[in-house]
Amino acid sequence: DQQVKQNSPSLSVQEGRISILNCDYTNSMFDYFLWYKKYPAEGPTFLISISSIKDKNEDGRFTVFLNKSAKHLSLHIVPSQPGDSAVYFCAASAAGNQFYFGTGTSLTVIP
Amino acid sequence: DAGITQSPRHKVTETGTPVTLRCHQTENHRYMYWYRQDPGHGLRLIHYSYGVKDTDKGEVSDGYSVSRSKTEDFLLTLESATSSQTSVYFCAISETRGWNEQYFGPGTRLTVT
Repeated sequence: DQQVKQNSPSLSVQEGRISILNCDYTNSMFDYFLWYKKYPAEGPTFLISISSIKDKNEDGRFTVFLNKSAKHLSLHIVPSQPGDSAVYFCAASAAGNQFYFGTGTSLTVIP
Repeated sequence: DAGITQSPRHKVTETGTPVTLRCHQTENHRYMYWYRQDPGHGLRLIHYSYGVKDTDKGEVSDGYSVSRSKTEDFLLTLESATSSQTSVYFCAISETRGWNEQYFGPGTRLTVT
């Protein structure tokens, strides 16, 4: 049973606009969340993280929002750039244990 | 970039043959992981190691074994490969287990015919 879900397999956004990628989880014990970015034929690379004591974390163009009551997190990319085109995975862990990954969302930023 | 290499990068093998994938790191991180990536499933943990000779199972460990005789090397073995093990395999490393990010290798594409 998938504990971390990314219900949108793909997303297309115009360059300069905002990209919003969503992730839902079922395990209320998850307390640490990560987003990874993956280009074809490469391994995932870490993008941004958030712990459950926060509801927002920002790093440059990337902001992650956490809504614990809804068991939902989202990644905002503003402004979107063509180089952001990749597959994005969210991941969650509980109490320092293993990470569970979502199925990924493929983002295409159209120039 | 974290120093993680995987070998081979691509392999085609026949059903029933043993296969070993290697992960090598130069970061001296304690934790090492093997994941598989499949369409519709994302990344799933196969096994992980928390030190030399210390390993444990992940969520999809059946049909796989691992060994870690040195800090820098983590081997994944398919004792008798099956077509369901056709996948892309990623190795990852981290300093701690769940409280910080993992760094991933470039992946190994394995095809079992």
